[in-house]
Amino acid sequence: GQNIDQPTEMTATEGAIVQINCTYQTSGFNGLFWYQQHAGEAPTFLSYNVLDGLEEKGRFSSFLSRSKGYSYLLLKELQMKDSASYLCAVMDSNYQLIWGAGTKLIIKP
Amino acid sequence: IAGITQAPTSQILAAGRRMTLRCTQDMRHNAMYWYRQDLGLGLRLIHYSNTAGTTGKGEVPDGYSVSRANTDDFPLTLASAVPSQTSVYFCASSDSSRGSAGELFFGEGSRLTVL
Repeated sequence: GQNIDQPTEMTATEGAIVQINCTYQTSGFNGLFWYQQHAGEAPTFLSYNVLDGLEEKGRFSSFLSRSKGYSYLLLKELQMKDSASYLCAVMDSNYQLIWGAGTKLIIKP
Repeated sequence: IAGITQAPTSQILAAGRRMTLRCTQDMRHNAMYWYRQDLGLGLRLIHYSNTAGTTGKGEVPDGYSVSRANTDDFPLTLASAVPSQTSVYFCASSDSSRGSAGELFFGEGSRLTVL
């Protein structure tokens, strides 16, 4: 079966750095995506990795290792507005997105 | 209209009733999707459409139907609602002609409660 695993909840301090991990087992791989979802709102696209390595976009970076079936989202200089759920999704061989249950990130002052 | 619009945003429905959730996009995206999101579970794909005139079944299609008469509209119908269909429903679209076809644009969601 296909499976995406990510921690249910994480807590971090404003101004700090946090790493949210995602491991996956899917039938085929056509890219890994991270989305941010604030409570009561729609998910919004954050990043896309298809090759191994680090993709940086401002305070957010995403890393992929295809051989390990592993990705992480790194958030630097945390702000209160970063409190949200972060969803990991993998595009499988049929070009369908398989979604993790999401990691709820709580930022404390 | 800018992006994707869903209606209604919230609805309480009696079991057995028929309900259509509307979704309209103005980005000329060829692909559209309907997901449901339940607490503790990831987004689950109900139905999708890769282009106008075609539809496909996702992970949890039972009890739902869709149509794609044109590029912009992708309504989701519950023929006879049941309490297990209580959920938040998200419509999404993507430009699958681009490399990152997984970059989805979501509507604001429709919160449906079936009693």
